[in-house]
Amino acid sequence: GAVVSQHPSRVICKSGTSVKIECRSLDFQATTMFWYRQFPKQSLMLMATSNEGSKATYEQGVEKDKFLINHASLTLSTLTVTSAHPEDSSFYICSATLGRGGDEQFFGPGTRLTVL
Amino acid sequence: DAKTTQPPSMDCAEGRAANLPCNHSTISGNEYVYWYRQIHSQGPQYIIHGLKNNETNEMASLIITEDRKSSTLILPHATLRDTAVYYCIGSGNEKLTFGTGTRLTIIP
Repeated sequence: GAVVSQHPSRVICKSGTSVKIECRSLDFQATTMFWYRQFPKQSLMLMATSNEGSKATYEQGVEKDKFLINHASLTLSTLTVTSAHPEDSSFYICSATLGRGGDEQFFGPGTRLTVL
Repeated sequence: DAKTTQPPSMDCAEGRAANLPCNHSTISGNEYVYWYRQIHSQGPQYIIHGLKNNETNEMASLIITEDRKSSTLILPHATLRDTAVYYCIGSGNEKLTFGTGTRLTIIP
């Protein structure tokens, strides 16, 4: 099956700093990538949809200036959490799809962010 | 996305078939039924999806009722590694809306 990686797997940072998370599709070209956030004991919440070469589409309530998404190539999307605060501590998960109608999404292993 | 309803939890004996139900009575004609699972602290794993016909792959079988209002995911011979939260999602576009899923526990 298709493989999606994320880096780093976990990160601890100080409040006010920015953190960049990478999402890569290793063996296929992903037209579309998604970013999710999952708080403890809760389900995944979609944050934004990212298409290669265009601006990301953010879900309602997600601040685009705080969560910067760049999808520079068909195999790489990055999420930067700017000026992180403790309430941004969460499990961030990306997924990728070929972008054809009805295609499944392949998920990365997730990145656990802890903001002190 | 179609609203789906799943039981919050289920147990299944190791080696037996695990049958996970999902109701999606408002699903529209162009919406697929997707099943994913999430093992603790990992990213979700795709299992199977279908539109109208029953589907089978190396992981599971998906049985969709003729009226498409419900479906059942079948894990034919459950192992301890199948313990996870299973999500049933109806979607006609690329977006997936995750509900609370079913927490499946495989009992030794």
